[in-house]
Amino acid sequence: AQKITQTQPGMFVQEKEAVTLDCTYDTSDPSYGLFWYKQPSSGEMIFLIYQGSYDQQNATEGRYSLNFQKARKSANLVISASQLGDSAMYFCAMREGLGAGGTSYGKLTFGQGTILTVHP
Amino acid sequence: NAGVTQTPKFQVLKTGQSMTLQCAQDMNHNSMYWYRQDPGMGLRLIYYSASEGTTDKGEVPNGYNVSRLNKREFSLRLESAAPSQTSVYFCASRTRDSEYGYTFGSGTRLTVV
Repeated sequence: AQKITQTQPGMFVQEKEAVTLDCTYDTSDPSYGLFWYKQPSSGEMIFLIYQGSYDQQNATEGRYSLNFQKARKSANLVISASQLGDSAMYFCAMREGLGAGGTSYGKLTFGQGTILTVHP
Repeated sequence: NAGVTQTPKFQVLKTGQSMTLQCAQDMNHNSMYWYRQDPGMGLRLIYYSASEGTTDKGEVPNGYNVSRLNKREFSLRLESAAPSQTSVYFCASRTRDSEYGYTFGSGTRLTVV
């Protein structure tokens, strides 16, 4: 079974509007972290935002926020006030085994990605 | 600039040739990783090194070997390249001081013909 699922291969949004990119995850580990990365056409991986499974508040970083719904195992990325420069591939990723004695060794599992296109 | 350096950035190989992808980090990170990125499949872990002197298989290790030469360097070797290994390869490193302290290299685009 897929551990990270991004069901939107492509998304379109008008400049200055908000957009939500979906991510669902599957884990039985109580201690995990969820990440979003941006990959522009130049290819580098840019870290956007992180949510720990025990964090009480949803993570926010500037125009990025993570809508964390633990019971539904979803970690959607919300980009407010989209800009042309937001056009890129976006990856959701998970790291399991954050707790004491965890043996994930920091391995990240990635989703398939969502290509976001921002229209002027 | 501190970060993860990958060489080469681009490479074309013929089927059956061998090559080594180099990765070096100067952030004193303990853990290092090799991923491959294929269209529609995201990034998949090939091998990782939790600390200097240790390496272990990830999700897709077949056809690859790795060496953690020292704390800084983690290389990925293709002994006999196959067209199925055409991909973009990313090296990453991680600090233990932060749950989200990962740094990725800029990638190596490998084509096997």
